[in-house]
Amino acid sequence: QKEVEQDPGPLSVPEGAIVSLNCTYSNSAFQYFMWYRQYSRKGPELLMYTYSSGNKEDGRFTAQVDKSSKYISLFIRDSQPSDSATYLCAMSLFKAAGNKLTFGGGTRVLVKP
Amino acid sequence: GAVVSQHPSRVICKSGTSVKIECRSLDFQATTMFWYRQFPKQSLMLMATSNEGSKATYEQGVEKDKFLINHASLTLSTLTVTSAHPEDSSFYICSAPGLAADTQYFGPGTRLTVL
Repeated sequence: QKEVEQDPGPLSVPEGAIVSLNCTYSNSAFQYFMWYRQYSRKGPELLMYTYSSGNKEDGRFTAQVDKSSKYISLFIRDSQPSDSATYLCAMSLFKAAGNKLTFGGGTRVLVKP
Repeated sequence: GAVVSQHPSRVICKSGTSVKIECRSLDFQATTMFWYRQFPKQSLMLMATSNEGSKATYEQGVEKDKFLINHASLTLSTLTVTSAHPEDSSFYICSAPGLAADTQYFGPGTRLTVL
């Protein structure tokens, strides 16, 4: 069993819809949670960074962490074709800056005009 | 956010040759950098942690003699794939801790193809 599970998709939605992404994990010691966006053949770009349980909102993006269920989510409102990419969740035991990140497998998202 | 660059962006080499990939932090210093490998349609797997002025720390299963890492300055880490073989063909990505946020910023990646 992988430490971090993520549905690979693809997830296809019409423009303007809400995109819902999630990851589950097995290691309850993870404390820091991130979402990255990766366009084809590019490096990952940080979208959201959260610590412990709770919600965080940034523009069209909302990240949720439920440590009791070992479940994290990312919601993208008013999705645009430019949101079409692979979304990776990542997590770490300690502050992510200087420590190992464990990634999910990524979910490919396609927003259709 | 912090900017991390990689060079080259893509490289094609013959089997048995060595390839060097550079990772630079452009507007900040990084005592630690990370090297990841990503196979097609798969996620990033950490290969090693590069430490300025000391030896790199390799993840289990990664051959340190094959993937040589040098972190000679606070803004540059290099990964050398020695005696490359076709199975080493992959997307190699480095990252460095950011300044303002407690997380890592990734370079654009280097696509290595070994013929």
